[in-house]
Amino acid sequence: EAGVAQSPRYKIIEKRQSVAFWCNPISGHATLYWYQQILGQGPKLLIQFQNNGVVDDSQLPKDRFSAERLKGVDSTLKIQPAKLEDSAVYLCASSLAWDRRGYTFGSGTRLTVV
Amino acid sequence: AQTVTQSQPEMSVQEAETVTLSCTYDTSESDYYLFWYKQPPSRQMILVIRQEAYKQQNATENRFSVNFQKAAKSFSLKISDSQLGDAAMYFCAYRSAGGGSEKLVFGKGTKLTVNP
Repeated sequence: EAGVAQSPRYKIIEKRQSVAFWCNPISGHATLYWYQQILGQGPKLLIQFQNNGVVDDSQLPKDRFSAERLKGVDSTLKIQPAKLEDSAVYLCASSLAWDRRGYTFGSGTRLTVV
Repeated sequence: AQTVTQSQPEMSVQEAETVTLSCTYDTSESDYYLFWYKQPPSRQMILVIRQEAYKQQNATENRFSVNFQKAAKSFSLKISDSQLGDAAMYFCAYRSAGGGSEKLVFGKGTKLTVNP
């Protein structure tokens, strides 16, 4: 089966600019996650979707980050305006609904804010 | 809140030898899952092995096995017959078995180097 697709692979922007990341999960996976991985740390959940609905966005900086998942398939994560501390790898993952086996990650987008 | 601690920032092993990566966690829950993920330079997180907390038997996947000590809240990963392709960052992760959010809580990772 095709994996979790993410684009772009790399992005460099200046602080205060905006940026968007795209994720296409594995077909049929109802649950989609966005994680932020800062250099030298483990990934941290930003937001979890179940179909179109948000299950957990408690660690999403809502003053600058937003995410949507239209039609329960693709998802977009946006940052506006970006700060230097947003430099990180943004990982998308997906799973079957309530699948306890773990989920499948994409290869991520590396964002550098200068 | 749950926390995961990996006390070894870096480890190295000779090819064909065995290495053990350490992980401890803190939780008040009785039912949960523990994972080891591998992250090569390609950045994709790859599931190595999974353990359900209610199972006493340690999980095994080919050359990878875990030592799960629930009372001590310890979950170490043993890699036998290490191969060059095992070189990567390894992350220990915790996930609650309860309903609602199914987020993974990760440790900071251990960088494994395999020497030929």
